[in-house]
Amino acid sequence: AQKVTQAQTEISVVEKEDVTLDCVYETRDTTYYLFWYKQPPSGELVFLIRRNSFDEQNEISGRYSWNFQKSTSSFNFTITASQVVDSAVYFCALSEVDDKIIFGKGTRLHILP
Amino acid sequence: DTEVTQTPKHLVMGMTNKKSLKCEQHMGHRAMYWYKQKAKKPPELMFVYSYEKLSINESVPSRFSPECPNSSLLNLHLHALQPEDSALYLCASSQDFGSSYNSPLHFGNGTRLTVT
Repeated sequence: AQKVTQAQTEISVVEKEDVTLDCVYETRDTTYYLFWYKQPPSGELVFLIRRNSFDEQNEISGRYSWNFQKSTSSFNFTITASQVVDSAVYFCALSEVDDKIIFGKGTRLHILP
Repeated sequence: DTEVTQTPKHLVMGMTNKKSLKCEQHMGHRAMYWYKQKAKKPPELMFVYSYEKLSINESVPSRFSPECPNSSLLNLHLHALQPEDSALYLCASSQDFGSSYNSPLHFGNGTRLTVT
């Protein structure tokens, strides 16, 4: 069975610090997809990134970067120079081919001014 | 602005009421979803519609009744709910479902439901 673990329940950092959100997954499939979503206080889940299991290249988008390592089954998310607007709950998610998305329990991130 | 629109934003209903949640998307997506989210928990899948047909029902109680009138609209009819059904109900859409592409979900802002 597929599973997503986000061990960090809640993190607080001071603005401008870098912060990494951890995600570890389990799957028996060789083909799968990993996602990160952001849920600000307004409630909407915002899609951030999708990565398939064959693409281990790290990705950077502005202050956001993702480190995918199949060897450790991890897909970690780093925010550089954090801002108060980054405060949200972040969900890592996994889906196997032709299957529904499974969400981790989420990490609540507080960026303190 | 979200491209998935949900109404109403807030709903308070009694246990004997009948109400409906509405969701609309105009991205040409062929799959639509209902999720339920309790406080400090991840979203839980309730239903999936693919090409206007119900593909997945995650053993949801019959007091929740989904309807997909067309490819852009998704409703959730509520009847005889319990206080424990109070939650944020999220609608989502994706390009497709059940293909090897696993397209990402696009969520609406949700309806915050309180059952009294």
